[in-house]
Amino acid sequence: DVKVTQSSRYLVKRTGEKVFLECVQDMDHENMFWYRQDPGLGLRLIYFSYDVKMKEKGDIPEGYSVSREKKERFSLILESASTNQTSMYLCASSSRRGRYYEQFFGPGTRLTVL
Amino acid sequence: SQQGEEDPQALSIQEGENATMNCSYKTSINNLQWYRQNSGRGLVHLILIRSNEREKHSGRLRVTLDTSKKSSSLLITASRAADTASYFCATATSGTYKYIFGTGTRLKVLA
Repeated sequence: DVKVTQSSRYLVKRTGEKVFLECVQDMDHENMFWYRQDPGLGLRLIYFSYDVKMKEKGDIPEGYSVSREKKERFSLILESASTNQTSMYLCASSSRRGRYYEQFFGPGTRLTVL
Repeated sequence: SQQGEEDPQALSIQEGENATMNCSYKTSINNLQWYRQNSGRGLVHLILIRSNEREKHSGRLRVTLDTSKKSSSLLITASRAADTASYFCATATSGTYKYIFGTGTRLKVLA
């Protein structure tokens, strides 16, 4: 059974803290993605990675960075958390084999920044 | 910016009825996908339709695609309480691995 796991379901941090969100997939997928989901705004792409050590900015990269040192792991980093980063964070992965790429999602991390 | 916009934003129906939700997008696409999200969980892929296809079926799901109108619809027939969820369309253009998700339709099926 294919799987994308995220390190925490719920996380509470204080303003100014450095926050790490981890995502691991076991499907040998090349592509990995980080989204944030807010009510009324749907899913917005923060960053994605199409290979180890490769990354590309999405629509809202400000205040975030990412790391992909191994193929199966993609980390999202909030350098200095702020209250407007309180959100649901979703990780996804997809294969590059074939022409059409279904995305597989993790369960999400609900982050609250106080 | 969001490419996909779902309509309606929310839908409430009785069990056994059909549910139809629509998605509009702005640019040429390679394919369009529909996903379901149960409350507070990750998204699950439902169905993919390619840009050269007009209709596709999977179980109780029927998806149509009209590239001239840049729109798609998802029909769920004989709905069940377990279909209660949010539904999102996602579009991809050729030459990119990125998908753009819409804002979603919240479906509530009453038993």
